[in-house]
Amino acid sequence: GQNIDQPTEMTATEGAIVQINCTYQTSGFNGLFWYQQHAGEAPTFLSYNVLDGLEEKGRFSSFLSRSKGYSYLLLKELQMKDSASYLCAVRDSNYQLIWGAGTKLIIKP
Amino acid sequence: IAGITQAPTSQILAAGRRMTLRCTQDMRHNAMYWYRQDLGLGLRLIHYSNTAGTTGKGEVPDGYSVSRANTDDFPLTLASAVPSQTSVYFCASSRTGGGTDTQYFGPGTRLTVL
Repeated sequence: GQNIDQPTEMTATEGAIVQINCTYQTSGFNGLFWYQQHAGEAPTFLSYNVLDGLEEKGRFSSFLSRSKGYSYLLLKELQMKDSASYLCAVRDSNYQLIWGAGTKLIIKP
Repeated sequence: IAGITQAPTSQILAAGRRMTLRCTQDMRHNAMYWYRQDLGLGLRLIHYSNTAGTTGKGEVPDGYSVSRANTDDFPLTLASAVPSQTSVYFCASSRTGGGTDTQYFGPGTRLTVL
């Protein structure tokens, strides 16, 4: 079966750095996506990785290791507005997205 | 403003009733998708369409049907609603159905079936 695992919830302090991990087992791999979802809102795109390595985009970075079936999202200089759920999704061999249940990130002052 | 709209925003429905959730995009995207999101679970694909005139089944298609008569619209119909279909429904679209394409999501419809 296909499976995406990420922690259910994490807590971090404003101004700090947090790393959200995602491990996956899917039938094929055609890229990994990270989305942000604020409570009661739609998911919005954050990053995409298809090759191994780090992709940096402002305060957010995403890393991929295809051999380990592993990715992480790194958030720096945390702000209160970063309190949200972060969704990891893998595009499988059929080009469909398989989604993790999401990690709820709580930012404390 | 370009994007995806969904209607209604929320709905309470009696079991056994028929319901159509509407989705319209104005980005001229070829591919469209319907997902449901339930607490503790990832988004699950119900149906998709890679281009107007074609549709496909996702992970959880039972009890749902879709049509894609044109590029912009992708309605989702529950023929006879059941309580297990209580969920938040998201419509999404992407330029094509593969490659590096990003999916863009509508605001969602919160459906309660009693």
